[in-house]
Amino acid sequence: DAEITQSPRHKITETGRQVTLACHQTWNHNNMFWYRQDLGHGLRLIHYSYGVQDTNKGEVSDGYSVSRSNTEDLPLTLESAASSQTSVYFCASSESNGPYNEQFFGPGTRLTVL
Amino acid sequence: DQQVKQNSPSLSVQEGRISILNCDYTNSMFDYFLWYKKYPAEGPTFLISISSIKDKNEDGRFTVFLNKSAKHLSLHIVPSQPGDSAVYFCAASARTGANNLFFGTGTRLTVIP
Repeated sequence: DAEITQSPRHKITETGRQVTLACHQTWNHNNMFWYRQDLGHGLRLIHYSYGVQDTNKGEVSDGYSVSRSNTEDLPLTLESAASSQTSVYFCASSESNGPYNEQFFGPGTRLTVL
Repeated sequence: DQQVKQNSPSLSVQEGRISILNCDYTNSMFDYFLWYKKYPAEGPTFLISISSIKDKNEDGRFTVFLNKSAKHLSLHIVPSQPGDSAVYFCAASARTGANNLFFGTGTRLTVIP
C-alpha cells in the first residue's frame, strides 16, 4: 500500500545544531508539504513543493529549508536549531490534478531543542 | 492572524448523542473546506469536505454544514461513538492558493461511554 513515512519519530537536539527531518511518500504525489503543530496554533505551513526542484515558503518558514531532488522525498532542515522550534512536525502530500486535493499526512516527528 | 478559528478547545458528549464542532473563517476567498481527525501520536486523517457551492455534505454519521454569509461551518457527528474521541481540525483552501490549507487550532472531542 502507498504511504507517507517520517523519520525519526522522536529527536532531541541542542540549540545551534543542524537537524534534518525526513519525509518519504510512495503515493507518487507531486505536492508535498511540511507543517508544525503547536498548542494554540493548530497546524502551520512551513514549506511546500509542487514538484521536483520546486520549493516555496509557507507561513512560518524562517529558520527552515527544504529541497526536492525527486518525487518521493522532501527533507526539512533546521539550519541552526532554536528552542522555539521545539514542536511536532508533519509532512503531507497530495495529488496535483485538480484545484482541491485531500492531503495525506505522515505520523509526525516530535522534535525537542534543548 | 488566524484565518480559520475553532473557538472551542474541547467538547464532551455522551455516547449516542450528537457532537457539533464549529469553525469560523475570515478570508472570503476560501471556497473549499475540510475536516481532519487526529488521534494521539498519529498524523491527521481526512474526514469530510465541502465546496462553497454546497451548504451541506453528508458521509455516514458525519455531516458538514456551510453558512457562507456567516463564514461558519460545523461538523455534526450522529450518533457519537467512543472511537470518535480525537482532536478535530477544520481547514480551508482558496482556489487561487492551489493546494495550500489553512488550519484551525483544533477541538478535542471526548465521547463518554
